[in-house]
Amino acid sequence: EVQLVESGGILVQPGGSLRLSCAASGFTFSNYEMNWVRQAPGKGLEWVSYISGSGRTIYYADSVEGRFTVSRDNAKNSLSLQMDSLRTEDTGVYYCTRADVVAFWVFDYWGQGTLVTVSS
Amino acid sequence: QSVLTQPRSVSGAPGQTVTIFCTGSSSNIGAGYDVHWYQQLPGTAPKLLIYGRNNRPSGVPDRFSGSKSGTSASLAITGLQAEDEADYYCQSYDSSLRGVFGGGTKVIVL
Repeated sequence: EVQLVESGGILVQPGGSLRLSCAASGFTFSNYEMNWVRQAPGKGLEWVSYISGSGRTIYYADSVEGRFTVSRDNAKNSLSLQMDSLRTEDTGVYYCTRADVVAFWVFDYWGQGTLVTVSS
Repeated sequence: QSVLTQPRSVSGAPGQTVTIFCTGSSSNIGAGYDVHWYQQLPGTAPKLLIYGRNNRPSGVPDRFSGSKSGTSASLAITGLQAEDEADYYCQSYDSSLRGVFGGGTKVIVL
């Protein structure tokens, strides 16, 4: 059974840093591209970042470019999101998602999400 | 503002058909990239509902169907049921190297 379990979400002050993790199981992690998607309270979904299976190709949304860094450890079946220079507008639930190969850029499995709150 | 445009809400009585439209541009849907649909029930993570042309993951009822034409896509729910009340999001890829979502549509079952 495919499982994605996020962790690391907490209350942090503006300008602070935070590292989110996603533990993957139930599939060959290195074979899959992964993405982070977030959702501000009461708002819609926003794509945040993409990383290829090897980790060599990475994309970011304009809103986080230069502040967030995505990485993966295929030996540990783990995905991470380093979040620096946090802003209040970064507040929301962050989801780890798997991109399946059956269609282009489809997110077939989602974690339960981890809540990040940026506030003073 | 989301890159893909969806109505904020649609409503229908049980048994009726509702359709949600998702409008993009020549750099995403119009460029031929797949459009996918997700259902988000209150307080839960989104779930893949429709992917690609009109494919449903295992367990998704055939009451849900998708289509695409030009720079738009649509999700139809036939035989609307109370359990279908949720938020629905369309999603695609944009040639500016990013994923894009619609703003979401709340389906209200009257």
